[in-house]
Amino acid sequence: SQQGEEDPQALSIQEGENATMNCSYKTSINNLQWYRQNSGRGLVHLILIRSNEREKHSGRLRVTLDTSKKSSSLLITASRAADTASYFCATDHNQAGTALIFGKGTTLSVSS
Amino acid sequence: SAVISQKPSRDICQRGTSLTIQCQVDSQVTMMFWYRQQPGQSLTLIATANQGSEATYESGFVIDKFPISRPNLTFSTLTVSNMSPEDSSIYLCSVVLGTYGYTFGSGTRLTVV
Repeated sequence: SQQGEEDPQALSIQEGENATMNCSYKTSINNLQWYRQNSGRGLVHLILIRSNEREKHSGRLRVTLDTSKKSSSLLITASRAADTASYFCATDHNQAGTALIFGKGTTLSVSS
Repeated sequence: SAVISQKPSRDICQRGTSLTIQCQVDSQVTMMFWYRQQPGQSLTLIATANQGSEATYESGFVIDKFPISRPNLTFSTLTVSNMSPEDSSIYLCSVVLGTYGYTFGSGTRLTVV
């Protein structure tokens, strides 16, 4: 089962531009995580935001969480060609230690 | 976070046969999770495996097709049975330590011909 939707499904930008991806989910959550997956490779954990947090930063990444709207956004600033990948949000079922449920993902293409 | 060893990393199988995927974790964990990632798609949860009890399957997945074993707190297997080309996917196991320590195996890339 999928927890929600990401949008856009695909995003193409130029190097140096910012990329914003959105994620919506359906149920109450304990935390929300963002992952990156390069083509043919494994998942890379990017950032985790807890349900009582509203914003979090990690390097060029900024994540926001709005639990009232059941949505999150991932902003990548000053994009690089190496950021080209698929990005997924994942949430738990508002219960610690349960399986993560993934969104459908956004495919980001950054051209130089 | 835990370290997971998943094997095989890839396999090409004939339709109608079965493949068993193994995941070994370097820590004792209560639950292990199995996912499928179809080509170009996101991860879909297949089942949650607790040690000492039957796995809990998500909608659309059944035990006859994806039997799971969980003989101890560090090991689990997923079998893909009676395979067809539609089963060609990446299969991943995952565990969580504590509340936030999620780890994923490197995946098994299965091609059914």
